[in-house]
Amino acid sequence: DGGITQSPKYLFRKEGQNVTLSCEQNLNHDAMYWYRQDPGQGLRLIYYSQIVNDFQKGDIAEGYSVSREKKESFPLTVTSAQKNPTAFYLCASSIDPTQNTEAFFGQGTRLTVV
Amino acid sequence: DQQVKQNSPSLSVQEGRISILNCDYTNSMFDYFLWYKKYPAEGPTFLISISSIKDKNEDGRFTVFLNKSAKHLSLHIVPSQPGDSAVYFCAASRPGTSYGKLTFGQGTILTVHP
Repeated sequence: DGGITQSPKYLFRKEGQNVTLSCEQNLNHDAMYWYRQDPGQGLRLIYYSQIVNDFQKGDIAEGYSVSREKKESFPLTVTSAQKNPTAFYLCASSIDPTQNTEAFFGQGTRLTVV
Repeated sequence: DQQVKQNSPSLSVQEGRISILNCDYTNSMFDYFLWYKKYPAEGPTFLISISSIKDKNEDGRFTVFLNKSAKHLSLHIVPSQPGDSAVYFCAASRPGTSYGKLTFGQGTILTVHP
């Protein structure tokens, strides 16, 4: 089945540690995105990538880093510089970022920093 | 600066009746609008979209209306079913950038009572 796989579903880390969230898609989509959801709020864009080896900051990129070495993979690293890392993280992809099409989302990773 | 707003945090509807979810936006550059449905601890699922060149789009029980002059869109669900109970997000994107780069509202919790 085609889709977006995020792993792990739940992740616990100690404060001050970096952590990497995985996102893989087999939809052959060009563009991939990382969003963050906090309680009672909508999703906010962290980073996005329209093509391999290229990525752009979203609205809340501080304290995060990404890479896009392969079309199907877009891992997100939450660094110790992120002040409030506990959140629900969602990865998405879209087939062609230049066209009006919907973005498809993974099932999310719940990160808790203690 | 909240460019997409869903002013009703929650909505309760009887099964079989119509559910109307509302969304307002401030950025006149938005030209593509989407509705997503989300269950707790899961990723959003795309429901329906509308381009700014249209004022209505239907898909089964779901209809989205766009009023560009008022910068307002609404999602109608008829008839409502208990399985429709979820959080509904409206989202918007604009040309000249990646179309999967979405700006989301805060969400509306829809509860459909049997």
